[in-house]
Amino acid sequence: DTAVSQTPKYLVTQMGNDKSIKCEQNLGHDTMYWYKQDSKKFLKIMFSYNNKELIINETVPNRFSPKSPDKAHLNLHINSLELGDSAVYFCASSFRGANEQYFGPGTRLTVT
Amino acid sequence: AQSVTQLDSHVSVSEGTPVLLRCNYSSSYSPSLFWYVQHPNKGLQLLLKYTSAATLVKGINGFEAEFKKSETSFHLTKPSAHMSDAAEYFCVVSPNRDDKIIFGKGTRLHILP
Repeated sequence: DTAVSQTPKYLVTQMGNDKSIKCEQNLGHDTMYWYKQDSKKFLKIMFSYNNKELIINETVPNRFSPKSPDKAHLNLHINSLELGDSAVYFCASSFRGANEQYFGPGTRLTVT
Repeated sequence: AQSVTQLDSHVSVSEGTPVLLRCNYSSSYSPSLFWYVQHPNKGLQLLLKYTSAATLVKGINGFEAEFKKSETSFHLTKPSAHMSDAAEYFCVVSPNRDDKIIFGKGTRLHILP
């Protein structure tokens, strides 16, 4: 009965490849988020969707493209991976305006 | 503009002694404030939240935090540290006007035996 799940948990790939990370929540929330956590543990929001509509789009390279097929899923596709994309990516969900977010376990992406 | 500052990047305490993790915030609006904990190689777990009700907020695992508007602080405390408290702790501010929340840079709590 995992609340927010992400797949895969670990992803090792080479520069230039394209990869996707999937996120699903079963909490009935209407808003989902992607965060990037760098090697210094700093968390930065990347995107947010509310009912499949993009509502937050921070300054992120356009190689990153989120896709929300429905309000329970938010996937992150990354094209032409670079070394600097190596990080832990967290998905989160909430009710819009509730502010309290529930986080997935993270996906550790390593680009070699 | 909203911001959050965690005053210590690392805190070390002995097991059984009190814990204090400091957080100051800046917000143009009346904010909601949160503390999250991240154990090694794990996701983030909500410890507690302040949303303009009682200023002293109790959370899980014996943690609590006090909202002090005059000091713009929301420090996290625990009377007696346990080895399992060793983790990264994040103070978070939400300005209640949009959907963004802002994370502090985190405080790594070390528990000495």
